[in-house]
Amino acid sequence: AQSVTQLGSHVSVSEGALVLLRCNYSSSVPPYLFWYVQYPNQGLQLLLKYTSAATLVKGINGFEAEFKKSETSFHLTKPSAHMSDAAEYFCAVGNQGGKLIFGQGTELSVKP
Amino acid sequence: EAGVVQSPRYKIIEKKQPVAFWCNPISGHNTLYWYLQNLGQGPELLIRYENEEAVDDSQLPKDRFSAERLKGVDSTLKIQPAELGDSAVYLCASSRGGVRTGELFFGEGSRLTVL
Repeated sequence: AQSVTQLGSHVSVSEGALVLLRCNYSSSVPPYLFWYVQYPNQGLQLLLKYTSAATLVKGINGFEAEFKKSETSFHLTKPSAHMSDAAEYFCAVGNQGGKLIFGQGTELSVKP
Repeated sequence: EAGVVQSPRYKIIEKKQPVAFWCNPISGHNTLYWYLQNLGQGPELLIRYENEEAVDDSQLPKDRFSAERLKGVDSTLKIQPAELGDSAVYLCASSRGGVRTGELFFGEGSRLTVL
């Protein structure tokens, strides 16, 4: 069975600082991995996805994530945080059967 | 291109009352999902449709929840009767071919409060 674990339900950074949101997955088959962002009272929006091409994936708004099979990780990073990055971030794993399983989410706060 | 449209955005009902949520996916998207999102949690899949066929409904509490996707386009999710624990956000998403080929596009959700 597949699963996703996001380490840290809440992360706080200063504006301009590095953003690192951690995600580990469990999958017996090559996974499809995703990061979604959710702003208050809105639906989820795709940031980036890994589908077995390049291991370093670039997404929207300056975010990127690196797929590390040996560590079963897919951490999300951004070199410099903006106030507008404050939101809830979800890591998700999908399989060939079309099911998408989400992690519990990490709330990112950005301090001025 | 219009996004996934859900209605109502907010619904407040008393327990034991019925409630229904409607979803209109993006045109041409054959896969439709209903997710449940509790406060502070990640979305959990309730049901997935490929066209008009429910291909994964293992997490749908069938004693009180039902869903349909007539003609493979719009979908309705119903709860009857609602319980206090059903208070949550119900998210609809659609995609062209599922996770293998692309991303899921989410609606803004329907927030249910059961009193």
